[in-house]
Amino acid sequence: IAGITQAPTSQILAAGRRMTLRCTQDMRHNAMYWYRQDLGLGLRLIHYSNTAGTTGKGEVPDGYSVSRANTDDFPLTLASAVPSQTSVYFCAAGAGANVLTFGAGSRLTVL
Amino acid sequence: AQKVTQVQTEISVVEKEDVTLDCVYETRDTTYYLFWYKQPPSGELVFLIRRNSFDEQNEISGRYSWNFQKSTSSFNFTITASQVVDSAVYFCALSEAPYGGGSNYKLTFGKGTLLTVNP
Repeated sequence: IAGITQAPTSQILAAGRRMTLRCTQDMRHNAMYWYRQDLGLGLRLIHYSNTAGTTGKGEVPDGYSVSRANTDDFPLTLASAVPSQTSVYFCAAGAGANVLTFGAGSRLTVL
Repeated sequence: AQKVTQVQTEISVVEKEDVTLDCVYETRDTTYYLFWYKQPPSGELVFLIRRNSFDEQNEISGRYSWNFQKSTSSFNFTITASQVVDSAVYFCALSEAPYGGGSNYKLTFGKGTLLTVNP
């Protein structure tokens, strides 16, 4: 089934640790995105990538980095996690003005 | 910059009631897209509808209907004869056409409306 796979589904992490959330698509879409969802704040864009080899900052990029070595993978890294990064993270992919397809989400708790 | 405001934070209705979720947006572009997504308790994001800025026709899909009015920058969502399974968080979102071409249609989401339908 075509779509987006995120891993891990859920993770508890000690503050200060490094963490990478993985995102893989099998739709060959050029554009990929990372959003975080927090209660009362909706979904906010962290980083995006128009195509392999390019990335850009979204609304809330601080503390996060991304890479896009190929079309299918778009990992999100927290270099040194802080409690304020406790959230649900959604990866998405899209082509042109088409509807974005979202992954199932990764729930991250930073203690 | 684009902005989406969902007027209601929470709505609670009794089953079979009609309910409208209000969405107001801001954009400087003449070409843009509006969306509604549903997030049920299971957590996934389910696409409901996309409209482009040049198509102001209202749309009906079963019990769901959408009213797009450019004059008031609104894109409201109505559920007729609500059911318990409609209980979810609903997000309105806006995407502007990318400047200079490209494929970066970034979505800006509203903060969501939690709809609870009681039996």
